[in-house]
Amino acid sequence: NAGVTQTPKFQVLKTGQSMTLQCAQDMNHNSMYWYRQDPGMGLRLIYYSASEGTTDKGEVPNGYNVSRLNKREFSLRLESAAPSQTSVYFCASSEAGSGGGGAQYFGPGTRLLVL
Amino acid sequence: QKEVEQNSGPLSVPEGAIASLNCTYSDRGSQSFFWYRQYSGKSPELIMSIYSNGDKEDGRFTAQLNKASQYVSLLIRDSQPSDSATYLCARGASGGSYIPTFGRGTSLIVHP
Repeated sequence: NAGVTQTPKFQVLKTGQSMTLQCAQDMNHNSMYWYRQDPGMGLRLIYYSASEGTTDKGEVPNGYNVSRLNKREFSLRLESAAPSQTSVYFCASSEAGSGGGGAQYFGPGTRLLVL
Repeated sequence: QKEVEQNSGPLSVPEGAIASLNCTYSDRGSQSFFWYRQYSGKSPELIMSIYSNGDKEDGRFTAQLNKASQYVSLLIRDSQPSDSATYLCARGASGGSYIPTFGRGTSLIVHP
């Protein structure tokens, strides 16, 4: 089992460029999440997908879009990157059944620098 | 107000000592709690989960939950330098929400 995988590991973008961060999990989890982590700010939820076919905004969704491609894959898109989006991005999946109260399992992260 | 509060630290303990990490939460409806360890430059890794009042032990780690007082703690016995990391406390989603809540983490330094 690979768990949660993310690509790419590192990316440098220029302001205004677009990119998609990919995430896949092989644990048959229903719920998937995208977080960003900045120094001193902790984990902040960008978007989540409670189950295949649904997506919802989290705490900081502006500037991002997501697609739940199937049960395994959940992608995050930056349409027009801004320096404020420089961060480390983590994808997570959850073993939650109903109510979403299960533990989360994180991917290795994508380090994004926007110049 | 952040729903899950942790002291940011750093908490510094000598090798071999017991490290005690604490966390408080505000939502009385919370049913599940988790501790994650995050090494610098790495992703959070689940180390303990607890759902019932009392203690849960796993190797050198003990999680404690007191729902009446709304706190969760993590004890690390025989602390090792390799335990030096940031420890995140989290409350599982509840009440029909799918959104968990993470504390900002406590930095632990175990010095030889």
